[in-house]
Amino acid sequence: ETGVTQTPRHLVMGMTNKKSLKCEQHLGHNAMYWYKQSAKKPLELMFVYNFKEQTENNSVPSRFSPECPNSSHLFLHLHTLQPEDSALYLCASSLGDGKEGHGYTFGSGTRLTVV
Amino acid sequence: QKEVEQDPGPLSVPEGAIVSLNCTYSNSAFQYFMWYRQYSRKGPELLMYTYSSGNKEDGRFTAQVDKSSKYISLFIRDSQPSDSATYLCAMILTNAGKSTFGDGTTLTVKP
Repeated sequence: ETGVTQTPRHLVMGMTNKKSLKCEQHLGHNAMYWYKQSAKKPLELMFVYNFKEQTENNSVPSRFSPECPNSSHLFLHLHTLQPEDSALYLCASSLGDGKEGHGYTFGSGTRLTVV
Repeated sequence: QKEVEQDPGPLSVPEGAIVSLNCTYSNSAFQYFMWYRQYSRKGPELLMYTYSSGNKEDGRFTAQVDKSSKYISLFIRDSQPSDSATYLCAMILTNAGKSTFGDGTTLTVKP
């Protein structure tokens, strides 16, 4: 298991459900990210948090709502999703604010299926 | 046009072969270059990162950056079946705080 833990590993939800994805890191990193990974597409950045403050929202639909209560925890709240939202959702963290090129530590992801 | 283009693959090689994975980019402002390896049902794992043009070696892996040609490569020597994975290149703009990823190249090393 990496230093970034994501739960659940798999999630199946209906379009009317509300669920949350959780991410936790104890690496002392200050920046945390949500990425979406779909088949045959590059990683899509969704949200960036630096020191608990959201610094980027990459035009993500409002049915995805992030929450970062502290530098170690990140949530992604989901509601009224669409089938095209089915994907692997990856959480990552980085040292500092990610500008220095240290790279990210990724979790194993949550495989989300919307039915 | 995508900012980062990665050789699409898939790539299949026999064990022991030298593998070359490549990406090109269009934005000369990219300053940091990374390679990630992603096994099936896992998140990407940082393999190497570099800042300057030239080569950086780590065991069987060599990362090469040519900023004048906007081209980066990852070489794997003596490839092993355990190297079978998807390899992602990634780049960071100076002071941008986020990475731009290639689509990934899936490599299979056959015993």
